[in-house]
Amino acid sequence: QQQVKQSPQSLIVQKGGIPIINCAYENTAFDYFPWYQQFPGKGPALLIAIRPDVSEKKEGRFTISFNKSAKQFSLHIMDSQPGDSATYFCAASRNSGNTPLVFGKGTRLSVIA
Amino acid sequence: NAGVTQTPKFQVLKTGQSMTLQCAQDMNHEYMSWYRQDPGMGLRLIHYSVGAGITDQGEVPNGYNVSRSTTEDFPLRLLSAAPSQTSVYFCASSYKVAGVFYGYTFGSGTRLTVV
Repeated sequence: QQQVKQSPQSLIVQKGGIPIINCAYENTAFDYFPWYQQFPGKGPALLIAIRPDVSEKKEGRFTISFNKSAKQFSLHIMDSQPGDSATYFCAASRNSGNTPLVFGKGTRLSVIA
Repeated sequence: NAGVTQTPKFQVLKTGQSMTLQCAQDMNHEYMSWYRQDPGMGLRLIHYSVGAGITDQGEVPNGYNVSRSTTEDFPLRLLSAAPSQTSVYFCASSYKVAGVFYGYTFGSGTRLTVV
């Protein structure tokens, strides 16, 4: 059973567009929801994270929206640039406990000029 | 401060051979884990450790062993390599503040091919 479902698998947007990547989870005990960005040949790097006590978090051009009742969270990239082309992973964990991150399957984003 | 260091970066093994993937971190992080990344499968947890001397299995532990004798090192051993273990392996570490774990720092990965 996949604990974190991510969609879409791939996404192509024009420069300046706002790609949106969605994730859904089942385990209501999850309380930490990060997004990771991975460039080819590199390890994933933490982009932004949210906890369920807030519905939105912004860091620069990246925004997480969180809907606790729907058990969904999404990543929005404002004014996307070709340099944002990468694979993005959502994840979740019971962070207040000693449990590891569970990852979605990833979304390959291409931003074309 | 080197972060999380993985060696080797690339490795080719023959079926049945054994080897150890090394992972070291210099951030005094108590939490370390191993993931494998396969196309279309995301990152799947192999084993993890919440501190020296403590390890536990993840989602796909079969064929792998780990130990955590020090805070800094968390090696992953392939006991008898199989073609299904061809993958990119990532080690990650994290720290805890007031009982809450914070973002993982990943190594740059080891690309393993088993022929």
